[in-house]
Amino acid sequence: EAGVTQFPSHSVIEKGQTVTLRCDPISGHDNLYWYRRVMGKEIKFLLHFVKESKQDESGMPNNRFLAERTGGTYSTLKVQPAELEDSGVYFCASSQLEGNYAFAEAFFGQGTRLTVV
Amino acid sequence: ILNVEQSPQSLHVQEGDSTNFTCSFPSSNFYALHWYRWETAKSPEALFVMTLNGDEKKKGRISATLNTKEGYSYLYIKGSQPEDSATYLCAASTGGFKTIFGAGTRLFVKA
Repeated sequence: EAGVTQFPSHSVIEKGQTVTLRCDPISGHDNLYWYRRVMGKEIKFLLHFVKESKQDESGMPNNRFLAERTGGTYSTLKVQPAELEDSGVYFCASSQLEGNYAFAEAFFGQGTRLTVV
Repeated sequence: ILNVEQSPQSLHVQEGDSTNFTCSFPSSNFYALHWYRWETAKSPEALFVMTLNGDEKKKGRISATLNTKEGYSYLYIKGSQPEDSATYLCAASTGGFKTIFGAGTRLFVKA
């Protein structure tokens, strides 16, 4: 069974450009989460999808970030325009929808390392 | 706001030593506590999820306990091996939607 996959693995862009990150969750996982780890700091929650619906996007830092999950399968996270402070590793995780989401084991992708120069 | 704190920040031990780390979290509105193992250049791997006060989980030489009343969890590693070197993350879930991660404890095991 394929795990959570993220594309690209690395991205280097200039300030002001646009970047789109993609996450393919494990097949059948309705929960999909995006997290970000800025250098030297803890992993921070960005948002949570259940199928195609955003359940909680309170962690999104500002309106330069847009996440979508059309059809409830893969998800994209677009940063437009990118700023220097957006550099970090963006992780996606997925889990099954089983009662209370808090209890479900989340499986993480390898992450996308974004560098804004 | 839920803050999850882990201590120590890093730990250096010799092969064969047993060690433990702490994760503390606000005990109100608590749903579940997760422990993850994260090796450099890989994605975090789930170790345990615990929900009830007094829960104890074990996987090989690694075990964890949970105290929801006082808001802490301990992770124990018995007889540390070099391959145990990794960052150990704990994360607390509230209300089912948001999982808040601590900064992690970085473990270095020297052969």
